[in-house]
Amino acid sequence: GAVVSQHPSRVICKSGTSVKIECRSLDFQATTMFWYRQFPKQSLMLMATSNEGSKATYEQGVEKDKFLINHASLTLSTLTVTSAHPEDSSFYICSAPDRGVDYEQYFGPGTRLTVT
Amino acid sequence: EDKVVQSPLSLVVHEGDTVTLNCSYEVTNFRSLLWYKQEKKAPTFLFMLTSSGIEKKSGRLSSILDKKELFSILNITATQTGDSAVYLCAVGSRNAGNMLTFGGGTRLMVKP
Repeated sequence: GAVVSQHPSRVICKSGTSVKIECRSLDFQATTMFWYRQFPKQSLMLMATSNEGSKATYEQGVEKDKFLINHASLTLSTLTVTSAHPEDSSFYICSAPDRGVDYEQYFGPGTRLTVT
Repeated sequence: EDKVVQSPLSLVVHEGDTVTLNCSYEVTNFRSLLWYKQEKKAPTFLFMLTSSGIEKKSGRLSSILDKKELFSILNITATQTGDSAVYLCAVGSRNAGNMLTFGGGTRLMVKP
């Protein structure tokens, strides 16, 4: 199946700094990618839909100025957590649908962010 | 608003038992229902269901969709400790592009 990579897999940063997470589709093009966050023992919560060549669509309650999304190419989307706070510590996962297989979504391995 | 509800929330069984996980949904213009298994990292794909009544099977896992009653079940027979995970159900709508709505998950623990 298709492969989606995420980098870094784990990051620890200090409060007030910004962190960039990359999501790449390795063997297919993705005009759309999705960013989720997941707190311990909870399900995936969609944060935003990243659209290549246009602005991201954010879910209700997600601050667009805090979670900056850039879909720079057909294989890369980035999520930047700006001015991170400890409450931003979470598991961030991206996914990308492969239109060639009827919209099946492939998930990246996730990024665990810890803000100290 | 699209909604996906999974039950039970958690389940503890012993190796060799059979389990049935449930997923009910409300979605406008249904496209597909997907099952994922999540261990320590990101979810891994199990099944995608689009048609009612057709069972999908992979080894000891099988799943079926009922589009009339708006639910799906995931069966695991002869469970093993390696089946311990969170099982996530997600639904896609034709109105929502590629977006999926996830249920809360069922946490399965299989004891030796």
